[in-house]
Amino acid sequence: AQSVTQLGSHVSVSEGALVLLRCNYSSSVPPYLFWYVQYPNQGLQLLLKYTSAATLVKGINGFEAEFKKSETSFHLTKPSAHMSDAAEYFCAVSEHTGRRALTFGSGTRLQVQP
Amino acid sequence: DGGITQSPKYLFRKEGQNVTLSCEQNLNHDAMYWYRQDPGQGLRLIYYSQIVNDFQKGDIAEGYSVSREKKESFPLTVTSAQKNPTAFYLCASRDSSDTQYFGPGTRLTVL
Repeated sequence: AQSVTQLGSHVSVSEGALVLLRCNYSSSVPPYLFWYVQYPNQGLQLLLKYTSAATLVKGINGFEAEFKKSETSFHLTKPSAHMSDAAEYFCAVSEHTGRRALTFGSGTRLQVQP
Repeated sequence: DGGITQSPKYLFRKEGQNVTLSCEQNLNHDAMYWYRQDPGQGLRLIYYSQIVNDFQKGDIAEGYSVSREKKESFPLTVTSAQKNPTAFYLCASRDSSDTQYFGPGTRLTVL
């Protein structure tokens, strides 16, 4: 069975500071990994995905994530936070066989202080 | 514009009532999914369909039903058997690279 753990349900940073959102996964097969962002009362928007092509994945809005197999991690980073980055972020792992559903972490709410 | 639409955006249900949430996609994807989101939790899988006229229970299917008569449409019915239906419901479709795209969601509240 797959699982995803997101450390820190709330993260607060100052505008212009580094953003680091943590994600660890458990999977019995090489995973496909995703980061999604959700603004209040909206659906999820794909930020980036890892499908084994390259360990450093660049996404939209200046975000990137690095797949580290030895640490079973897929942390999301952004060098300089912007006020518009305030949202909830979800890490997910895909069952890329069978039902091919996503298993989500519980989410991290990012606050950006002026 | 290709995408996924969900309606209504807000829905109120009385005790003992069945309600149906609409999900439509024009992305030409075969697979579609329904997830439920509760505060402070990730999304949980209710039902999924990998092809027209076929669907399967997810992890929390009790009290829900679906149909998949058309490729574009995957409606979800929340029945009176669902004991705690107040939640945010998200529909998604999946492309051939296993990427899922989400609709804007329906917020269901029980009165």
